[in-house]
Amino acid sequence: ETGVTQTPRHLVMGMTNKKSLKCEQHLGHNAMYWYKQSAKKPLELMFVYNFKEQTENNSVPSRFSPECPNSSHLFLHLHTLQPEDSALYLCASSQERAGDYEQYFGPGTRLTVT
Amino acid sequence: AQSVTQLDSQVPVFEEAPVELRCNYSSSVSVYLFWYVQYPNQGLQLLLKYLSGSTLVKGINGFEAEFNKSQTSFHLRKPSVHISDTAEYFCAVSLRSNDYKLSFGAGTTVTVRA
Repeated sequence: ETGVTQTPRHLVMGMTNKKSLKCEQHLGHNAMYWYKQSAKKPLELMFVYNFKEQTENNSVPSRFSPECPNSSHLFLHLHTLQPEDSALYLCASSQERAGDYEQYFGPGTRLTVT
Repeated sequence: AQSVTQLDSQVPVFEEAPVELRCNYSSSVSVYLFWYVQYPNQGLQLLLKYLSGSTLVKGINGFEAEFNKSQTSFHLRKPSVHISDTAEYFCAVSLRSNDYKLSFGAGTTVTVRA
């Protein structure tokens, strides 16, 4: 595997379910991100992890719970979601170094909450 | 805080015609600027970035963008598009201070027709 991978690619869940999204980066980066992409809206940054430490929580509801066990893996645990949480969830990673902030994105998980 | 405005939500264009996608940003400090492309059912891929130096930046797939500080713009251009350029294009900005976070525009959907 190369780059940033995400599983599952598609997920349908009821409002009372608990599920998790997984992201893995094979680039040796030290920062990882979760974004929410809704139709016709800018990407919304949800969480940022730098060297496994959460450095940003962008006022995300507590029904979304991130976990970063190491610099290569990032999870997003979901519980009691709402229909408006249906969206494409993108994971990204980057290597912090002066003058270069390029983020590498995974293909996303298309989440549908019924 | 910085913000990004993409002035066109949809741009239809004929094959082999030129295309320009407009992006304006607002920030009280210096920024880094990026253009990403998202093909259907895929994550975002970096097209090009402006960090410093020459204001004309060349990217992949024949795209280029010009940074105009006085107009706070970073418009993307391609002189001759292909069907395969059909995608959604996102402009993004990051502050030059230690901030590695990206703020994205709402995106421009380019549809190339034969």
